[in-house]
Parts: sequence; C-alpha cells; structure tokens
Amino acid sequence: DARVTQTPRHKVTEMGQEVTMRCQPILGHNTVFWYRQTMMQGLELLAYFRNRAPLDDSGMPKDRFSAEMPDATLATLKIQPSEPRDSAVYFCASGLYGGQADTQYFGPGTRLTVL
Amino acid sequence: SQQGEEDPQALSIQEGENATMNCSYKTSINNLQWYRQNSGRGLVHLILIRSNEREKHSGRLRVTLDTSKKSSSLLITASRAADTASYFCATAGYSGAGSYQLTFGKGTKLSVIP
Repeated sequence: DARVTQTPRHKVTEMGQEVTMRCQPILGHNTVFWYRQTMMQGLELLAYFRNRAPLDDSGMPKDRFSAEMPDATLATLKIQPSEPRDSAVYFCASGLYGGQADTQYFGPGTRLTVL
Repeated sequence: SQQGEEDPQALSIQEGENATMNCSYKTSINNLQWYRQNSGRGLVHLILIRSNEREKHSGRLRVTLDTSKKSSSLLITASRAADTASYFCATAGYSGAGSYQLTFGKGTKLSVIP
C-alpha cells in the first residue's frame, strides 16, 4: 500500500533553531506539495515541485523557508531561523500529473512547535 | 481568491442520518475535490467532480456541482460514527500567481453520534 511518509512526526524546538522536515513521495509520482495547516489560516500551499523542479513557492516566506528535492525520493522543507509563529502542522502531498492538478495523496504531517 | 468556503463550519448528527456539507468558491475552476481529515492525520481524497459534470456518486457519497452558482455539496448518506472527521473542498484552477494548484477551504467538522 503506497503512501507518503514524513519525518519527524513531531518536533519541538526553540526559537532561532533550524528545523528540517523530510518527505518521501509515492514512488512514481512526479509532483510534490508542501502545505501548512493552522487553526486560523487553514491549509496553505507553501510550495510545489514537478519532476523535482520548483514550480511555485509564492506561498512560502522566502527569508526563512526553503524547499528542495535533492532526488525523486526525497523532498525537504527547512526553516532557519524558526519563530513561534511557524508552529503548525506541515503536510507533504504527492500526485501524478499529466499537466493538470488532480488527486493529491497526503502524508501524516509533521507537527512543529516552536517555543 | 478561488478558495472554497465550507458551510456549516460544524455539523453534529445521529448515526444513520444524512449529512450535507456545502462549498462555495469565487473563480472559475477545472475541477472540485472533497477530502476528509481524521483528527491528527493527513487529508484523504474522497471524490473529484469536473467542471462539466453536475453530479457524481461514490458509495455513500454524492457530490453536486453548480458552476453557475459557484457551489458544490457533499452528501453522506446513512452516516456512521467512523465518518466523524473534517471535510474539505478543494478547487483546482489557476492562482493569482498563474500556477495551477488546489486551494482548500477551512473545512466542515462533522460529528456522528452513535
């Protein structure tokens, strides 16, 4: 049963520290998304990649966030330095697209708490 | 923004009853999707309806789409306690920045009481 995996599942850190979240998309999927979910803002798209190339990262604070896909099996989201307002659940999702966005498959999320 | 807005924000029903959730959006879309999220979990895709479709069924789910009113509804028939979750609509189309993406609403929290 193919699924998206994310690590770590939970992360507690102090303000100013670097945080790295990892995602393994479903094998064969060519598009990877990073979302952030909070009670106030709901689910927000931060960035997405197709065939490992960044297509849109307009939802991501550029000064502290960065997203990469070093290879087809790994996507990373880094926050440096982290701030309390970054506390949220971060989801990775993947999908197979032939040109238009259809079904996305979500990972279990990384719950980040920045103290 | 083409963000979907679900209504109601929360819904509580008895097991066996039907649950109806609505979604409204603002701009033209390619398709509209519904997802479910159990507490502490990721979202799970339920059903997709394309802009040229009016109704779609999947098991106990029925989705309608009215593009003239920019609205959709999700009906869950004969609800079960296991249906307790948050339900999100997501619209697929072009963002203001020109990229093709899904935009999610804030969800309807459904509680099914045994």
